[in-house]
Amino acid sequence: GIQVEQSPPDLILQEGANSTLRCNFSDSVNNLQWFHQNPWGQLINLFYIPSGTKQNGRLSATTVATERYSLLYISSSQTTDSGVYFCAPEPNYGQNFVFGPGTRLSVLP
Amino acid sequence: ETGVTQSPTHLIKTRGQQVTLRCSSQSGHNTVSWYQQALGQGPQFIFQYYREEENGRGNFPPRFSGLQFPNYSSELNVNALELDDSALYLCASSPASKETQYFGPGTRLLVL
Repeated sequence: GIQVEQSPPDLILQEGANSTLRCNFSDSVNNLQWFHQNPWGQLINLFYIPSGTKQNGRLSATTVATERYSLLYISSSQTTDSGVYFCAPEPNYGQNFVFGPGTRLSVLP
Repeated sequence: ETGVTQSPTHLIKTRGQQVTLRCSSQSGHNTVSWYQQALGQGPQFIFQYYREEENGRGNFPPRFSGLQFPNYSSELNVNALELDDSALYLCASSPASKETQYFGPGTRLLVL
């Protein structure tokens, strides 16, 4: 099945800093989602981005499907951005999204 | 418009018992997917239901079974519980089988 890698596994930032999270996947995909899991376990949709670039406030994402990677940019980070960020591509042959291992982000005041 | 809800929020069972977890999908959504998330890992796909039929299954044994009702709510049943079944169980609904998924708050299951 598809292999999903996320980097870095852990990231510590000072409030106000910018960061880039990366997701690599091994197979062609139909779709890709980015999620933020807060400390209480709730998964929150950030982007549904099979290709191209999208922006939502301080967050933006880019997926280059032909090169099998996606990037999540967080600008001017806030303490409320802390948590785990997951990418979840959906392979062409599958019916489900496959989650990566996540990047754990801690934003310090 | 109500979001995805799950019940119960927490559950403690003993090895060998059976458990049923429930999920109410978001209004207008006909697809429900279930995931298991072990501590420190990403969610793993269990199965998906689309219009009351199973529409894909992950690498989970048959003792994990499900159901979707005409109102598109869903149940996850696990028989013969094992210690490794301890996890956060997440339900996600979507307007169709290959659309954005919206997750509920999860059910934390502890098997002793």
